[in-house]
Amino acid sequence: DAGVIQSPRHEVTEMGQEVTLRCKPISGHNSLFWYRQTMMRGLELLIYFNNNVPIDDSGMPEDRFSAKMPNASFSTLKIQPSEPRDSAVYFCASRGGRGSGVPSTDTQYFGPGTRLTVL
Amino acid sequence: LAKTTQPISMDSYEGQEVNITCSHNNIATNDYITWYQQFPSQGPRFIIQGYKTKVTNEVASLFIPADRKSSTLSLPRVSLSDTAVYYCLVGERGATNKLIFGTGTLLAVQP
Repeated sequence: DAGVIQSPRHEVTEMGQEVTLRCKPISGHNSLFWYRQTMMRGLELLIYFNNNVPIDDSGMPEDRFSAKMPNASFSTLKIQPSEPRDSAVYFCASRGGRGSGVPSTDTQYFGPGTRLTVL
Repeated sequence: LAKTTQPISMDSYEGQEVNITCSHNNIATNDYITWYQQFPSQGPRFIIQGYKTKVTNEVASLFIPADRKSSTLSLPRVSLSDTAVYYCLVGERGATNKLIFGTGTLLAVQP
């Protein structure tokens, strides 16, 4: 298995532009998580999905952020308009459900992250 | 979720055993203790999970005393490649829909 795949790996954009981050979870996993990591705030959970349905988006900073999961193999995190304070590394993680064969049902597998820089 | 407290950083030398202790005084009956490892420019990676006493896998050991108010991650004979941030998390297994990461412990292994 290729693991969790994120794209792009690096994104540099200007303030006010729309940014779309993409994630492909591990096949068979039924939960997907979006995190943001900065030096100041550490690793923060933004939103997570179970079976493609958003369960908790309380970590989403504000209305400029939105996330979708149209099917079990794809999710997007969109920032519109972007601001310099959005600069961070954004991680996507997936987790298997019951019967998935993972050692622990709550083990999350993280992708390599997308480093976003907003100028 | 129970809050955890860990040292901000630790230093070690290659070949030494490293023990990182995490405090979780408010741990609940159904909570498990999980450790993740994060290398620079990578996402966190699951290391080990336990409920009580001792758990060992090919990477590390986890020691949990009877009162479960703390836990110790033990890394045998560390190498330079073990330099990373180690996070201790506490929460219900299976129903742990959220992972609340603290500041973690930055382990720096020197030659």
